[in-house]
Amino acid sequence: NAGVTQTPKFQVLKTGQSMTLQCAQDMNHEYMSWYRQDPGMGLRLIHYSVGAGITDQGEVPNGYNVSRSTTEDFPLRLLSAAPSQTSVYFCASSPHRGGTYEQYFGPGTRLTVT
Amino acid sequence: AQSVAQPEDQVNVAEGNPLTVKCTYSVSGNPYLFWYVQYPNRGLQFLLKYITGDNLVKGSYGFEAEFNKSQTSFHLKKPSALVSDSALYFCAVRDMRTGANNLFFGTGTRLTVIP
Repeated sequence: NAGVTQTPKFQVLKTGQSMTLQCAQDMNHEYMSWYRQDPGMGLRLIHYSVGAGITDQGEVPNGYNVSRSTTEDFPLRLLSAAPSQTSVYFCASSPHRGGTYEQYFGPGTRLTVT
Repeated sequence: AQSVAQPEDQVNVAEGNPLTVKCTYSVSGNPYLFWYVQYPNRGLQFLLKYITGDNLVKGSYGFEAEFNKSQTSFHLKKPSALVSDSALYFCAVRDMRTGANNLFFGTGTRLTVIP
């Protein structure tokens, strides 16, 4: 049981480039989400999904796209990278129902945009 | 608006002493509150939660938290700090508007336990 996995661990992009951050979980969780962590700001929600085919925006969605074609995978796409997207990105998952609210986090992807 | 606040960026405590990391919340209705810990270059790990019931909640690694409705607080505590407790601690509250498990996080408190 690998839990939540994220690739890559590190990435450097030039302004204007695009890329996809990968996230997968093997716990059959319906809920998955992406957060970004910036110094002094805690974690902020980018996008989330409560099941395959269902996605919605979080607090800071601009510049990011997501899709959820399977229960296991929830990739985050940066369409045209900007220096303001330099951050550490965390994917998380949890059951959507059943009263278990705690989330399981991946190890993170550290992204630098130059 | 729903939010949590962690008023201290940094908390230093001597090994063996009790520790407290503070959190206050602002929500409409009954809050679902959480504490997570982040060790260097790692993801967040769940410590404990308050959903309903006893105001004193016990969690992993000997941590506990006290829910205080009148003071809108959910402080994290441990009776005897270990050097290995040194980490970044986040308080979070569930967003009750959407029905999903979305969280609002505080800005984090860095705990340093001094040997």
